[in-house]
Amino acid sequence: DAEITQSPRHKITETGRQVTLACHQTWNHNNMFWYRQDLGHGLRLIHYSYGVQDTNKGEVSDGYSVSRSNTEDLPLTLESAASSQTSVYFCASSEGAGGEAFFGQGTRLTVV
Amino acid sequence: GQNIDQPTEMTATEGAIVQINCTYQTSGFNGLFWYQQHAGEAPTFLSYNVLDGLEEKGRFSSFLSRSKGYSYLLLKELQMKDSASYLCAAMFSGGYNKLIFGAGTRLAVHP
Repeated sequence: DAEITQSPRHKITETGRQVTLACHQTWNHNNMFWYRQDLGHGLRLIHYSYGVQDTNKGEVSDGYSVSRSNTEDLPLTLESAASSQTSVYFCASSEGAGGEAFFGQGTRLTVV
Repeated sequence: GQNIDQPTEMTATEGAIVQINCTYQTSGFNGLFWYQQHAGEAPTFLSYNVLDGLEEKGRFSSFLSRSKGYSYLLLKELQMKDSASYLCAAMFSGGYNKLIFGAGTRLAVHP
């Protein structure tokens, strides 16, 4: 069965370190998204991609970057982790303009 | 901006009907999704509306009025397992389609 997986599921890191969260989907979807979810804010869009070599900034992109070298993967990098980036991160993928988005199980990141 | 507003919390009784409202800015609007999210889990798809009207799917229905920038999710015959957050998400165009979420409505179903 096709799926979307995130790794790691939990991570603790120190302020200033570079961190990369992995997202891998086997749906063969063109669209991939990264969100962060914080209490009171819901899901906020960090970056998104509509295909290989395409990346776009979302609502809260500062301090984050992504790259899309193939269809299956969209890793999210925190260049220099900050305590404000402590959050739950969700990756999602969808097909087409009105396609249902499928979400990974989330990564809980704590920056100390 | 592309503000999406929905109530923060709602409570309802098992077996009852509850309606969760969502409003959004109409500029660039291209479709509306509802997702369910249980605590500690990923969001899961419930419904998608792009045209005006009501979409019914079992106990859940979703309504859209594009001209009013308004949608609602209707849950009938509530069950305890329906206690969850319900996320309204609108798709906006502007070169690309992107999915923007509201803050979510936390629904508590009581016996």
